[in-house]
Amino acid sequence: GAVVSQHPSWVICKSGTSVKIECRSLDFQATTMFWYRQFPKQSLMLMATSNEGSKATYEQGVEKDKFLINHASLTLSTLTVTSAHPEDSSFYICSARKADTGNEQFFGPGTRLTVL
Amino acid sequence: SQKIEQNSEALNIQEGKTATLTCNYTNYSPAYLQWYRQDPGRGPVFLLLIRENEKEKRKERLKVTFDTTLKQSLFHITASQPADSATYLCALRSYNQGGKLIFGQGTELSVKP
Repeated sequence: GAVVSQHPSWVICKSGTSVKIECRSLDFQATTMFWYRQFPKQSLMLMATSNEGSKATYEQGVEKDKFLINHASLTLSTLTVTSAHPEDSSFYICSARKADTGNEQFFGPGTRLTVL
Repeated sequence: SQKIEQNSEALNIQEGKTATLTCNYTNYSPAYLQWYRQDPGRGPVFLLLIRENEKEKRKERLKVTFDTTLKQSLFHITASQPADSATYLCALRSYNQGGKLIFGQGTELSVKP
């Protein structure tokens, strides 16, 4: 159990376009989902925390109007990178915390975004 | 300032030996600490969770210790195999961080046959 999926696994887009990334918890309900980004050889940096049915909480320095997060259900969260630029190119990883235990946090396989 | 630090250099060991990875933290009050494995181009895979009131946790060839006095966690892989080669991340959830999971920078482990 505790599988988190992401789609797409990679995406290449032109500068100025928007990209949506989906994150699903496949076999459990997640009251809280998290979005991270990771640059090469660096650790995961938390971007935002989202709770089902409420607005996401963004970390300092993360633009909420650029990185739109929607947590529509207990199994789905989406991250939309709006008006993407080359500096947004990164590895985006979502994570979900199980509703029953509240502790263990499981990660998706990640989405490689390349903005040309 | 708050920090989570792992062995900064890559760890190279021989197959069959025990690998020991270190995670030290400063100015956090961790409720628990988690260890993950990450392969290149993939998301982290959960391995073990240890709570503040636990000294040690085991799972098959893996062992984690947690010393809140030293502010340190050690992660051991016994009878290591080349397939254990990966980057290992420690992450802590702190009482004073609103429940967020804060990650160390990871330690790259390479097990040679």
